[in-house]
Amino acid sequence: QSALTQPASVSGSPGQSITISCTGTSGDVGAYNFVSWYQHHPGKAPKLIICDVSSRPSGVSNRFSGSKSGNTASLAISGLQAEDEADYYCSSYATSSTWVFGGGTKVTVL
Amino acid sequence: QVQLQESGPGLVEPSQTLSLTCTVSGGSIGNDDYYWTWIRQPPGKGLVWIGYIFYSGSTYSQSSLRSRLTMSVDASKNQVSLKLSSVTVADTAVYYCARIGRWEYEFDLWGRGTLVTVSS
Repeated sequence: QSALTQPASVSGSPGQSITISCTGTSGDVGAYNFVSWYQHHPGKAPKLIICDVSSRPSGVSNRFSGSKSGNTASLAISGLQAEDEADYYCSSYATSSTWVFGGGTKVTVL
Repeated sequence: QVQLQESGPGLVEPSQTLSLTCTVSGGSIGNDDYYWTWIRQPPGKGLVWIGYIFYSGSTYSQSSLRSRLTMSVDASKNQVSLKLSSVTVADTAVYYCARIGRWEYEFDLWGRGTLVTVSS
């Protein structure tokens, strides 16, 4: 299984808010404020949407927000839109200068 | 804008060497601002970080793959390459090339990935 644990799927209706959790350990998520999130539409290149736990790169919608508490990071999507339907992956810098990822969460817009 | 594109054979036989190339367009790979990273995703599973290479040729990789892994840079072609030897079916995956800022901890640019199947 993946180093970071994410729910396999999350769904919501247009306009609603959803949250995706990403649980790691004291050696990755809990140790560093270097959690990032990626949106992946199948067949396209994954896109960085959150870095450093809660920072949004230029051009990313403010409907996406990130947070962290202990060994668990979270991605929130507000005002859910059809275009948000995609796979989402979390990542964290980890001890031994490596990176770990989650197994991915499929977001479905009902 | 800068784009990354992975390329390589889609099928590799067990025990052979998997060879992939990542071509950078719209920017120079000979730039000390970035590391160039390889990440893979086995079918139905999550992403796995493989390793990175700097334009100078220095590398760092996941310990479990290090003995089979070779990464290189060809600045004249604006390409980075990955070679993974003695492959097994467990190496079947979509392989991604991604960029990471030298002083950063996130992958800010990715390629679309290329599927490599290990099968006889």
